[in-house]
Amino acid sequence: NAGVTQTPKFRILKIGQSMTLQCAQDMNHNYMYWYRQDPGMGLKLIYYSVGAGITDKGEVPNGYNVSRSTTEDFPLRLELAAPSQTSVYFCASSYQARAGNTIYFGEGSWLTVV
Amino acid sequence: GDSVTQMEGPVTLSEEAFLTINCTYTATGYPSLFWYVQYPGEGLQLLLKATKADDKGSNKGFEATYRKETTSFHLEKGSVQVSDSAVYFCALSEGDDKIIFGKGTRLHILP
Repeated sequence: NAGVTQTPKFRILKIGQSMTLQCAQDMNHNYMYWYRQDPGMGLKLIYYSVGAGITDKGEVPNGYNVSRSTTEDFPLRLELAAPSQTSVYFCASSYQARAGNTIYFGEGSWLTVV
Repeated sequence: GDSVTQMEGPVTLSEEAFLTINCTYTATGYPSLFWYVQYPGEGLQLLLKATKADDKGSNKGFEATYRKETTSFHLEKGSVQVSDSAVYFCALSEGDDKIIFGKGTRLHILP
């Protein structure tokens, strides 16, 4: 069972470089999310999507962009990497918005900007 | 706005000890409450949840009871194992798509 798959798992970027974190889910979930996890800071929502073609900002969207052209895929783009974007990134998905619905997480992508 | 506050770690216990990780929340309505666990090098996994007051969620020997009167959802386990070493996140969701996480509590279990 693949669930939520993220790539790459580890990446080092230089300041000013761009990259895309890929996320795919095979559970036919409508809702997808990108979180970042900084040490001792818990999880912060970057962007989320409630379905193909629809995206919305979370708590900390600056410096990131997303797209949702298909139900399965939800890539996160960093346009001009900055050291403040060094973090662990988690993609997640859920079936519907109803409160109590379980969110499923990918294994994370460790990004370092130097 | 809605928020979750959980006890700061790390928490270090010996194997077979009793575990409590405190979690309190602030919400305008009637949220659903969750505990997620993150093992080293992995993503978060749902451990247990409760969707209404007085519900008890349980899984893998862990339990948490939704207490509306004290706005709490404390995680407990009667006898912890080394394999329980992980980071535990309390979380809530209230009606929309977003889930709000606490900062996490790192648990170390010593053999």
